[in-house]
Amino acid sequence: GENVEQHPSTLSVQEGDSAVIKCTYSDSASNYFPWYKQELGKGPQLIIDIRSNVGEKKDQRIAVTLNKTAKHFSLHITETQPEDSAVYFCAAVWGGGADGLTFGKGTHLIIQP
Amino acid sequence: GAVVSQHPSRVICKSGTSVKIECRSLDFQATTMFWYRQFPKQSLMLMATSNEGSKATYEQGVEKDKFLINHASLTLSTLTVTSAHPEDSSFYICSAPSGGRQETQYFGPGTRLLVL
Repeated sequence: GENVEQHPSTLSVQEGDSAVIKCTYSDSASNYFPWYKQELGKGPQLIIDIRSNVGEKKDQRIAVTLNKTAKHFSLHITETQPEDSAVYFCAAVWGGGADGLTFGKGTHLIIQP
Repeated sequence: GAVVSQHPSRVICKSGTSVKIECRSLDFQATTMFWYRQFPKQSLMLMATSNEGSKATYEQGVEKDKFLINHASLTLSTLTVTSAHPEDSSFYICSAPSGGRQETQYFGPGTRLLVL
């Protein structure tokens, strides 16, 4: 089965600086890679995703890059704000809706004012 | 985006009782839904795949007789934790795929279960 590694487990950055979270996956068949933000006591919220036919995707301050050869993908958040503080999870799956997601262990992002 | 709801949001029960958790897709139909469990400060772990009109499929190590899943309609899946014990206390979250490629998964707000 798929195995997803995520680093770092905790990341503290100054407000306004950039944050980068990295993930690697093991199953070369995986072709869909979403990122979720989870606030305390709430369900995960999809913030951005990328498919294996694309190397990079950007949505305002958030971007995701994918290296299929190396089997790793990264989340980039620029101009961080206090409301970005949360736990972020990466995931991987062979797309199609038939399979559940395999999640990384999560990164607790702390934005220091 | 698609909206998924869960009920109840939190439940406290005595050891040995059964608890039912509902997961609904509010503005779309879902032939498949997924159930995850999340222990404090840990990641989400897939428990089972709920299939409308057929049996659920369970991940390795998840007891199907303990976690009963029923997907009776295209908008509702239920998870029943039977004979709950304190070690079943956790955050249970469902998701449903939506969109053209059916790969984007939208999550419910979760149900906090505390078994005394």
